Amino acid sequence: QVQLQESGPGLVKPSETLSLTCTVSGGSVSSGSYYWSWIRQPPGKGLEWIGYIYYSGSTNYNPSLKSRVTISVDTSKNQFSLKLSSVTAADTAVYYCARIVHGEHLINDYWGQGTLVTVSS
Amino acid sequence: AIRMTQSPSSFSASTGDRVTITCRASQGISSYLAWYQQKPGKAPKLLIYAASTLQSGVPSRFSGSGSGTDFTLTISCLQSEDFATYYCQQYYSYPQSFGQGTRLEIK
Repeated sequence: QVQLQESGPGLVKPSETLSLTCTVSGGSVSSGSYYWSWIRQPPGKGLEWIGYIYYSGSTNYNPSLKSRVTISVDTSKNQFSLKLSSVTAADTAVYYCARIVHGEHLINDYWGQGTLVTVSS
Repeated sequence: AIRMTQSPSSFSASTGDRVTITCRASQGISSYLAWYQQKPGKAPKLLIYAASTLQSGVPSRFSGSGSGTDFTLTISCLQSEDFATYYCQQYYSYPQSFGQGTRLEIK
């Protein structure tokens, strides 16, 4: 069964860059059957889709974050990563990585447990 | 971007009750809708996709219906483990978007 695990700093200073990595086990990021995505959830609030990457490197980002987001994939490590630049307190959230099934129904079927990132000086 | 609106935002129910949660899209999304369940401190869990298709392993007391702009999630006989927050999500177009959530509490 596929498992996803987020990792990265839990505290980031304002104006700096948030960097997270998602390690995939039990499956391959090189599979053409899936996209690999990031979703976030501010404390006590709802879910916001950030973007996805395909094994080929093609990406799709939420326009609300597009100018600050970069998602990349490392097939040799079976990982994909998120970078969010110029962060503010509004970027404080639990960040989830998830797998999206590539097909007619683009569902997020497996999720990581999530990692809380706090933006504070 | 497509806006998803759920109702109610929260409500209380008892074990054994039948409950229905509604989700409305700001424009037609055909049947490209999923429902997720989230418990405190946990990641969302996929329950239903394609508006009415039950994800593998999800109990049959969960069901979904609707198409176009109006959708419902029904739990036919509430169990204690069903008290959680539920989110709808459209994947008709990018960016994917979620409803604000419906918190289901024990009465």
